[in-house]
Amino acid sequence: AQSVTQLGSHVSVSEGALVLLRCNYSSSVPPYLFWYVQYPNQGLQLLLKYTTGATLVKGINGFEAEFKKSETSFHLTKPSAHMSDAAEYFCAAVKEAGTALIFGKGTTLSVSS
Amino acid sequence: DVKVTQSSRYLVKRTGEKVFLECVQDMDHENMFWYRQDPGLGLRLIYFSYDVKMKEKGDIPEGYSVSREKKERFSLILESASTNQTSMYLCASIDGGIHQPQHFGDGTRLSIL
Repeated sequence: AQSVTQLGSHVSVSEGALVLLRCNYSSSVPPYLFWYVQYPNQGLQLLLKYTTGATLVKGINGFEAEFKKSETSFHLTKPSAHMSDAAEYFCAAVKEAGTALIFGKGTTLSVSS
Repeated sequence: DVKVTQSSRYLVKRTGEKVFLECVQDMDHENMFWYRQDPGLGLRLIYFSYDVKMKEKGDIPEGYSVSREKKERFSLILESASTNQTSMYLCASIDGGIHQPQHFGDGTRLSIL
């Protein structure tokens, strides 16, 4: 069955440190992949997406992700964490049939000063 | 900007009540979705609709139904609310192509007592 797996339910970094949030997917077809961010008491906001073409995708707020087909991964990175990056992050893939999304279980990012 | 509006941010209902959650989008999107978000489980698809009066079951449709009488409005109905339906409910919409990101409302936090 199609799945999206986020490794690590909670990641803690210091301000200015590298952020790395891991996402692996399983799919029998080329995937469309997304990263969303959720701030407390808000809905989900798109960070970036991969459809086709360039495998390194840049998003908002300095985040980027690299699609690696050989590793079935789509990890999210940011070179230097900011306090405002503290939130929950979701990796998602379009379901193989249709337009609905299948989500990972989420990773909570904490940033300390 | 696309606006997806959920009628209530917080809702408290009693076991056995029939509960309606409303969602409206202002961009004439064809596809609309209802997800349920629970800690440690991510978002799970309850139902979706790809056109007026059309609906499809998602991964966890039991205990829910939906209504889409107008293109801009997609309602989630809890036929007889139970305590295990206490959760955050998120509505989303998308305009056609599977490579497009979904736009989310701010969510309704529903408590069933």
